[in-house]
Amino acid sequence: GAGVSQTPSNKVTEKGKYVELRCDPISGHTALYWYRQSLGQGPEFLIYFQGTGAADDSGLPNDRFFAVRPEGSVSTLKIQRTERGDSAVYLCASSLKSSGELFFGEGSRLTVL
Amino acid sequence: DQQVKQNSPSLSVQEGRISILNCDYTNSMFDYFLWYKKYPAEGPTFLISISSIKDKNEDGRFTVFLNKSAKHLSLHIVPSQPGDSAVYFCAATRQSNYQLIWGAGTKLIIKP
Repeated sequence: GAGVSQTPSNKVTEKGKYVELRCDPISGHTALYWYRQSLGQGPEFLIYFQGTGAADDSGLPNDRFFAVRPEGSVSTLKIQRTERGDSAVYLCASSLKSSGELFFGEGSRLTVL
Repeated sequence: DQQVKQNSPSLSVQEGRISILNCDYTNSMFDYFLWYKKYPAEGPTFLISISSIKDKNEDGRFTVFLNKSAKHLSLHIVPSQPGDSAVYFCAATRQSNYQLIWGAGTKLIIKP
C-alpha cells in the first residue's frame, strides 16, 4: 500500500537480546519520526529524521537505543540489551515536511520477557 | 509532569448524540493542537487541528474548540456514529517545532 509500513508487527524477545524495528515511510516524505507508546499512555517522541540525518534524537531514553536512515527513506530503530521496560508499541510516522501532518504506521509491538 | 492531559480514560455516548472529549494543557508555548483517532492494532490517524489564533475549527461532524485562557480544548462529534468508537488522542506542539506532546487518550464507545 501507499502508507507507512512497519515490520515486524509483533516481536517477542528475551531480556538482554538485540532488536531491530523497521519503518518504510510514504514515498517522498522527507521527515520521519519514531514514537513509543506504553500501555495506557500517549505516544512519546523518540527521534526525528530530516532526510538521512537525525535532526533531533533527544527523546531516545538511553544509549541502548539507536536509529538510522542511511538513504533517507527506510529507517531502522535498534535496541541493544533489551530490558522489560522497553516493552511498548513503537510507532513510526512520516510527513512531507517537518511541520506537516504526520502519517503513522500500525506500529511494532515489542514484548521483552 | 504531563503537559497534555486527558482526564477521562473512557466515555460512553448513545448513537446520534453529541460526544465531547476534553483536553487540558499546561505549557503556554503550545500554539498548535491536534486530535488523532486510533483504532485497535492501527496507528493514529489525524482528525482535526486548530491553531492558537483561532478558537474554533469545524470539519463536518467534528468541531474543535480552544479556550486559551483556560488552556483547554475540546472535540465535539455530532451526531456520534458507531464508527466513531476509538481512542482519541489530543496532541500539542509549537508550530516552529515538530515534536508532538500527547495526552494519554480517551476511549470513546458509541452505544447503539
